[in-house]
Amino acid sequence: KAGVTQTPRYLIKTRGQQVTLSCSPISGHRSVSWYQQTPGQGLQFLFEYFSETQRNKGNFPGRFSGRQFSNSRSEMNVSTLELGDSALYLCASTYGTYRTDTQYFGPGTRLTVL
Amino acid sequence: AQSVTQLDSQVPVFEEAPVELRCNYSSSVSVYLFWYVQYPNQGLQLLLKYLSGSTLVESINGFEAEFNKSQTSFHLRKPSVHISDTAEYFCAVSDTAGNQFYFGTGTSLTVIP
Repeated sequence: KAGVTQTPRYLIKTRGQQVTLSCSPISGHRSVSWYQQTPGQGLQFLFEYFSETQRNKGNFPGRFSGRQFSNSRSEMNVSTLELGDSALYLCASTYGTYRTDTQYFGPGTRLTVL
Repeated sequence: AQSVTQLDSQVPVFEEAPVELRCNYSSSVSVYLFWYVQYPNQGLQLLLKYLSGSTLVESINGFEAEFNKSQTSFHLRKPSVHISDTAEYFCAVSDTAGNQFYFGTGTSLTVIP
């Protein structure tokens, strides 16, 4: 099976812009979770989508949003970018629930905000 | 609220020596516990997990971790490390009723030849 893919792998944006990141889960997996990874904060949970519905959400401002399509592919959007949004954004797919099932991570999208 | 603390950010160890990577969590409810590993230039992958049952869980490459409820710990151990074990190790926790998944800040294990 193909692994989790994320596009693009690298992005450079300026403050105030918005960005959309894409994640394609492993075939058959229904849940997609998103994480932000920074050197200071480590990995922080953003949100989880299951069957096109946001099932859980972390403690991030409303500028961070996402959606999931009927084929389980997911997108994450960040509006009004700030310098502090520079990070590696990871998505992970699981068959069922991320609470107990193994999460399979993609390689990430490196976002740099100038 | 939950949190995960990995007490050591960097752990250097000589090849074939034992190693312990420490992880403590805080939670008022029952938890599921995980160790994920990130090898150089690779994505995160599950190493082992504790969901229920035996408090000692093992991975296929010789690592083991023990769930200690009284000390709220889930330390990772290996009796003899190899060069190939050099990686970043992340402890993680989710609770049985909550809605988030928490990672520690990671421990960088460097195995010295």
